[in-house]
Amino acid sequence: QQQVKQSPQSLIVQKGGISIINCAYENTAFDYFPWYQQFPGKGPALLIAIRPDVSEKKEGRFTISFNKSAKQFSLHIMDSQPGDSATYFCAARDDKIIFGKGTRLHILP
Amino acid sequence: DGGITQSPKYLFRKEGQNVTLSCEQNLNHDAMYWYRQDPGQGLRLIYYSQIVNDFQKGDIAEGYSVSREKKESFPLTVTSAQKNPTAFYLCASSIDSGGGWGEQFFGPGTRLTVL
Repeated sequence: QQQVKQSPQSLIVQKGGISIINCAYENTAFDYFPWYQQFPGKGPALLIAIRPDVSEKKEGRFTISFNKSAKQFSLHIMDSQPGDSATYFCAARDDKIIFGKGTRLHILP
Repeated sequence: DGGITQSPKYLFRKEGQNVTLSCEQNLNHDAMYWYRQDPGQGLRLIYYSQIVNDFQKGDIAEGYSVSREKKESFPLTVTSAQKNPTAFYLCASSIDSGGGWGEQFFGPGTRLTVL
């Protein structure tokens, strides 16, 4: 009930391609869905977040798509760049924030 | 320049020793958190504190202890009872949003290695 399932575990994308990371949840009480980006040896930083009353949110090359009925949300990175190579975590909140297990993204130059 | 600092960046410990990881924030956040990160495991919550002099266990509190004597500080002690302490430890803070945890601001982490 409290889990956030993230896939894939790792992803390799060519430069200029679209990177897609998916997350699924069961708890309908979740009211906030952030994505965090983490570079090696650093702490995660908030990248983009969405609330369940919105189906899509875009910030630059990063877009969250949210499907409330399917209980799924995804991160799309358009025109992926080598600098986007990092680990990405989805998360969801009711009274606590629950993190997915992360996706290690590598963009080939 | 507001933020969260963690020290040390790297820490080595012999088996059987307790070690304390420092976490300080000057964001004036009420809530502070400790997470443990292992490869492929994501972020697992150790302890959290929503107010000074009060804290709660997270999902993996066994073998760890914390204190919250000041709003700015939330040190984590890894005790000898923690069976597998080698990991990357992350401290975070947030504004207490009342209805749930606020956006998590993370520190740079401490990598603990048990020799």
